[in-house]
Amino acid sequence: GENVEQHPSTLSVQEGDSAVIKCTYSDSASNYFPWYKQELGKRPQLIIDIRSNVGEKKDQRIAVTLNKTAKHFSLHITETQPEDSAVYFCAAMDGGATNKLIFGTGTLLAVQP
Amino acid sequence: ETGVTQSPTHLIKTRGQQVTLRCSSQSGHNTVSWYQQALGQGPQFIFQYYREEENGRGNFPPRFSGLQFPNYSSELNVNALELDDSALYLCASSFDTGELFFGEGSRLTVL
Repeated sequence: GENVEQHPSTLSVQEGDSAVIKCTYSDSASNYFPWYKQELGKRPQLIIDIRSNVGEKKDQRIAVTLNKTAKHFSLHITETQPEDSAVYFCAAMDGGATNKLIFGTGTLLAVQP
Repeated sequence: ETGVTQSPTHLIKTRGQQVTLRCSSQSGHNTVSWYQQALGQGPQFIFQYYREEENGRGNFPPRFSGLQFPNYSSELNVNALELDDSALYLCASSFDTGELFFGEGSRLTVL
């Protein structure tokens, strides 16, 4: 079935450094790839997304890249700040009739001040 | 805020009991999805309702059922609760297959 793999599971960086989280997906029909930030006990919050007709998208310190041929996409956070500390999930939308999201297993990002 | 509200926020049940979780979607959203998020894991798709009909289901047994109402509200029902049903249950609404807007979730503990 559909699957999304996410790496690394934990990531610790110094404040000001960059952080990169990578995901691969299995369903070649997937065409929408959102990234969510989830703080402890809270709902997932959409931070950036990309559609399959675009290779890269940037929003201030956050960027996402997509390689459809290789079926992988990555989240890049530059100039990290302590408030970026959270669990980040990638997801791929099912290529069928629903907007079902297949989530990765999450990355716990810790930004050390 | 996403305009999606869920209730209750927390609840505790015992094995074998039944539970109903409720969600109020953003106005105008005709699609609602439910996800289960166990501790330390990513959300898992349970099912989706579109215009009050189930139109997609994940790998969950029939004791997980749902309803969607014309007033943008929906329910998730779980019968014969098991310990492994302990999780955060997230409701997400959208218009057709557009962006999902998540509620804050209902945290269920089964003892």
